[in-house]
Amino acid sequence: DGGITQSPKYLFRKEGQNVTLSCEQNLNHDAMYWYRQDPGQGLRLIYYSQIVNDFQKGDIAEGYSVSREKKESFPLTVTSAQKNPTAFYLCASSGAAPEAFFGQGTRLTVV
Amino acid sequence: ELKVEQNPLFLSMQEGKNYTIYCNYSTTSDRLYWYRQDPGKSLESLFVLLSNGAVKQEGRLMASLDTKARLSTLHITAAVHDLSATYFCAVDKDDMRFGAGTRLTVKP
Repeated sequence: DGGITQSPKYLFRKEGQNVTLSCEQNLNHDAMYWYRQDPGQGLRLIYYSQIVNDFQKGDIAEGYSVSREKKESFPLTVTSAQKNPTAFYLCASSGAAPEAFFGQGTRLTVV
Repeated sequence: ELKVEQNPLFLSMQEGKNYTIYCNYSTTSDRLYWYRQDPGKSLESLFVLLSNGAVKQEGRLMASLDTKARLSTLHITAAVHDLSATYFCAVDKDDMRFGAGTRLTVKP
């Protein structure tokens, strides 16, 4: 089935560690997005990519990094520079049809 | 910078009542989306509105778009408990920006 897959579903990070969240899609979508959602809040854009090997910062890119080496994959690294990383992270993709599809999310907790 | 504002942010309704959620955005765009999110879950697409005057309906929900006013509405008719969720609008310009969400609670 076509879709967008995020892994892991839950992730625990120790202070000072970098962690990478995976996002893979088999929808042949060009655009991919990463959002952060804090409890009771809306979605804030971290990074987005409209095409392979290109990406742009969103509103809250500091402390995060991404790569887009393949069309299907858009991993997000939460670096030690991100001082408050505990949140729900959502990946989305969109293509010729304007609608964006979301993965099931990764819940990151700092321990 | 594109800004998307929703109101109200919290909405408590009685079953059977009608209500409207509003979504205003700051720059021109012909693409607006409505999503539903249940607690702890991801976002589920409800409506895609692509032109001025677009209206879409699914069950008790109806969405409309006025691109000249930069306004979309999500109208709820005869609310039922199963509609309790958080509803987001999103606008697609160069990237996709979301409103803060409307947390809807439908009470018996």
